[in-house]
Amino acid sequence: NAGVTQTPKFRILKIGQSMTLQCTQDMNHNYMYWYRQDPGMGLKLIYYSVGAGITDKGEVPNGYNVSRSTTEDFPLRLELAAPSQTSVYFCASRTGGSNEKLFFGSGTQLSVL
Amino acid sequence: QQPVQSPQAVILREGEDAVINCSSSKALYSVHWYRQKHGEAPVFLMILLKGGEQKGHDKISASFNEKKQQSSLYLTASQLSYSGTYFCGTASSLSNDYKLSFGAGTTVTVRA
Repeated sequence: NAGVTQTPKFRILKIGQSMTLQCTQDMNHNYMYWYRQDPGMGLKLIYYSVGAGITDKGEVPNGYNVSRSTTEDFPLRLELAAPSQTSVYFCASRTGGSNEKLFFGSGTQLSVL
Repeated sequence: QQPVQSPQAVILREGEDAVINCSSSKALYSVHWYRQKHGEAPVFLMILLKGGEQKGHDKISASFNEKKQQSSLYLTASQLSYSGTYFCGTASSLSNDYKLSFGAGTTVTVRA
């Protein structure tokens, strides 16, 4: 049981490039989330999904896009990368309901230079 | 809207106690607490639901005052392993329980 798997672990992008951060969970969780964490800061919600085909914006969605075609996968797309998107990105999932804990992936460290 | 945590940082000696507070401007349905070690993902500690319950996990416990829209995390007789950054996450209502927002974190350093 792998839990939540994120790839890649590290990536360096040039300004203006695009990339997709992959997130897969094998726990059949309905709810999935993308957070970003800037150095020394807290977690900010980018996008979330409550099931396949359903996504919604979080607190800081600008510059990102998501899709949820299956229960397992929730990729995060960066278009036209900017230095302000340098951060650690965490994907998380849970079964559903406020009494259910989040399972986090190990994170992707992204630098935009 | 993200909850507000205080203090930002605390330094303890082994065996000392500390309290971390988390407050929201919105009515809360649930509060989550997580701890993150440097370079790692956050790890779940506990969840408190609307109803003012108090929970404990080893010598770490928490309370939830829904009227004040606040939660507090209590570190008792701290150990070196308690060092890390503690985050509270809040869900504002049952009807919107899927959106979980986190505070900026409280960095706890426990010294021998």
